[in-house]
Amino acid sequence: QVQLQESGPGLVKPSQTLSLTCTVSGGSISSGSYYWSWIRQPAGKGLEWIGRIYTSGSTNYNPSLKSRVTISVDTSKNQFSLKLSSVTAADTAVYYCAREYLYYDSSGYYSNWFDPWGQGTLVTVSS
Amino acid sequence: SSELTQDPAVSVALGQTVRITCQGDSLRSYYASWYQQKPGQAPVLVIYGKNNRPSGIPDRFSGSSSGNTASLTITGAQAEDEADYYCNSRDSSGNHGVFGGGTKLTVL
Repeated sequence: QVQLQESGPGLVKPSQTLSLTCTVSGGSISSGSYYWSWIRQPAGKGLEWIGRIYTSGSTNYNPSLKSRVTISVDTSKNQFSLKLSSVTAADTAVYYCAREYLYYDSSGYYSNWFDPWGQGTLVTVSS
Repeated sequence: SSELTQDPAVSVALGQTVRITCQGDSLRSYYASWYQQKPGQAPVLVIYGKNNRPSGIPDRFSGSSSGNTASLTITGAQAEDEADYYCNSRDSSGNHGVFGGGTKLTVL
C-alpha cells in the first residue's frame, strides 16, 4: 500500500524559504489519477490546505499563500516538494503531505478525499 | 464560497449517537470527506463520497448530505472516538481545497 513520508529541516529562519519533500513508497507517483497535496496545521489549530500538484504537473495553490508557494514533482525519485518563501513565525506548523483523489459521481456530485497522509513534520520558524 | 463551518465542540454519552455537521456552499456540489485526528497523530480518513468507509473504519461511522450541509454520524459512540473531526471538500470553483475548522468530540 502507498505510504508517504515528509522530510526537511525542522527549523527555518524568518524571511528564508521553507523546503520540504514528500517521498512516496509502495506505488508510483505517476500512476493513477491522483493529486499530491500539502496541508499544514499550526499547534492547537485546524488544518489548512496549502496546494496540490497533479500527475501532469499542473498545480493549484491556496489563494492566501499563492504568492509564496511552489509545489513540484520529481517522478524519477517518486517525490514531490513544497517551497514556501519569505516565512514568518505564522508559518510555524506541522506540515503534512497527502494523496488526494477526485471522483465524479453519477448523481452529479463530486467527491474528493485525502488518503493516505504522511506522519507530518514540524517546521518552526525562528531566528 | 470557500468556507466550511463546523461547531467547535460536541459531546456525547458513551454508547449514544452523535451527529457532527459541516456547512458550506460547495457542499451543494461536493460530498464532504471526514477525518478523525487524535492528539499527536496525523488525520485519518473515516468517510468519503456519498457514504463510504475506508477499510478498517468501524461501521458505526456514517455520512450523509442535504443541501449545503454534510453530517458525520457516530452510532454508539465509544471512548476511542474522542478526537477532533474535520470535514473537507473543494471550493465551488473546484480549484482549491478547504477544511472546516474542526469539531472536538468529547465522549462522556
